[in-house]
Amino acid sequence: DVKVTQSSRYLVKRTGEKVFLECVQDMDHENMFWYRQDPGLGLRLIYFSYDVKMKEKGDIPEGYSVSREKKERFSLILESASTNQTSMYLCASSWTSGGGVAQYFGPGTRLLVL
Amino acid sequence: EDKVVQSPLSLVVHEGDTVTLNCSYEVTNFRSLLWYKQEKKAPTFLFMLTSSGIEKKSGRLSSILDKKELSSILNITATQTGDSAIYLCAVKTSYDKVIFGPGTSLSVIP
Repeated sequence: DVKVTQSSRYLVKRTGEKVFLECVQDMDHENMFWYRQDPGLGLRLIYFSYDVKMKEKGDIPEGYSVSREKKERFSLILESASTNQTSMYLCASSWTSGGGVAQYFGPGTRLLVL
Repeated sequence: EDKVVQSPLSLVVHEGDTVTLNCSYEVTNFRSLLWYKQEKKAPTFLFMLTSSGIEKKSGRLSSILDKKELSSILNITATQTGDSAIYLCAVKTSYDKVIFGPGTSLSVIP
């Protein structure tokens, strides 16, 4: 079974703090993704990576950065957390397929920024 | 700009009813369309569609893609309370980037 894990299920941080969210997958997937999910807005892509050290901006990259130093690990960094970054963060991974493979999601991290 | 739209955004039905959820998309470099079910946790995969007109079926759920109309439907027959969830449609494009729609929130009442 594919397993995607995220470092924390719940996090509470203060405005201005630097926040690290980590995602690890155990299926040797090339692609990894970070989304945030907010009521009424659905899942929005923040960043994705299709190879080690490669990254691509998604739809809402502002205020975020990412790091992929190893194939199995994809980190999302909030350089200076703000209250509007309070959200559910979901990590996902998939093989490179040309279209034929689904994404697998981690359990999510619910982040509250005070 | 790539876009995925779903309708309706929310739906309340009675157990036993049949529902049809709609998804339409405007994307460059379409690769596949995906349906997910999300309860109080991360989304779980339902179907992936790449070819037009071929129905995918799993129990009471079925889905079909129409590439000419740039759309897909997800049907659930004989709904049960356990079908209550948010149903997400997503489209995979080049580099395996996936764009999600806003979701349809389905509530099935006894």
